[in-house]
Amino acid sequence: DQQVKQNSPSLSVQEGRISILNCDYTNSMFDYFLWYKKYPAEGPTFLISISSIKDKNEDGRFTVFLNKSAKHLSLHIVPSQPGDSAVYFCAASARATSYGKLTFGQGTILTVHP
Amino acid sequence: DVKVTQSSRYLVKRTGEKVFLECVQDMDHENMFWYRQDPGLGLRLIYFSYDVKMKEKGDIPEGYSVSREKKERFSLILESASTNQTSMYLCASSLSPGTGESPLHFGNGTRLTVT
Repeated sequence: DQQVKQNSPSLSVQEGRISILNCDYTNSMFDYFLWYKKYPAEGPTFLISISSIKDKNEDGRFTVFLNKSAKHLSLHIVPSQPGDSAVYFCAASARATSYGKLTFGQGTILTVHP
Repeated sequence: DVKVTQSSRYLVKRTGEKVFLECVQDMDHENMFWYRQDPGLGLRLIYFSYDVKMKEKGDIPEGYSVSREKKERFSLILESASTNQTSMYLCASSLSPGTGESPLHFGNGTRLTVT
């Protein structure tokens, strides 16, 4: 069963506009959430994270929002740039039991058009 | 800067061969992981290790084994490769055992094709 789901396989956005990527999870034990970005022929790189004690974390153009009651998180990129075009993976961790292992979603391909 | 190095970018193997995928990290991280990435399925955890000679099964361990004889090196072994093991394999490492707050640092991946 897929405990972390990204239901949109792809998203296309105009440069300068907002990109919103969504992620849902089912496991109530997850208490730490991360977003990774992956370019072709490279490994995923860490982008931003949020603990379950918060509902928002911001880092420059990137903001992650967490809605625990809905078991939903989203990544906002404002303004979007062509260099943001990549695959974005949502990931979750249950810190007390996991030794740091992450459960990933299926990924969303973001394309930012100039 | 953390560096995770996977020994091969591309591998082509025949069905039934024994395959070794090697991964080395240079930051003295306790945790190391092997994931595979497939379209529409995301990254799925095969095995992980939180210490030398320690290993734990991930979500899809069938057909794989691992070895961690030294802290910096984590090997993935396909005992008898099959076509359904054609995939992108990603190695990762992290600090802070047990907290999950240290992000995973990934290598660039090995694209394995089994014919």
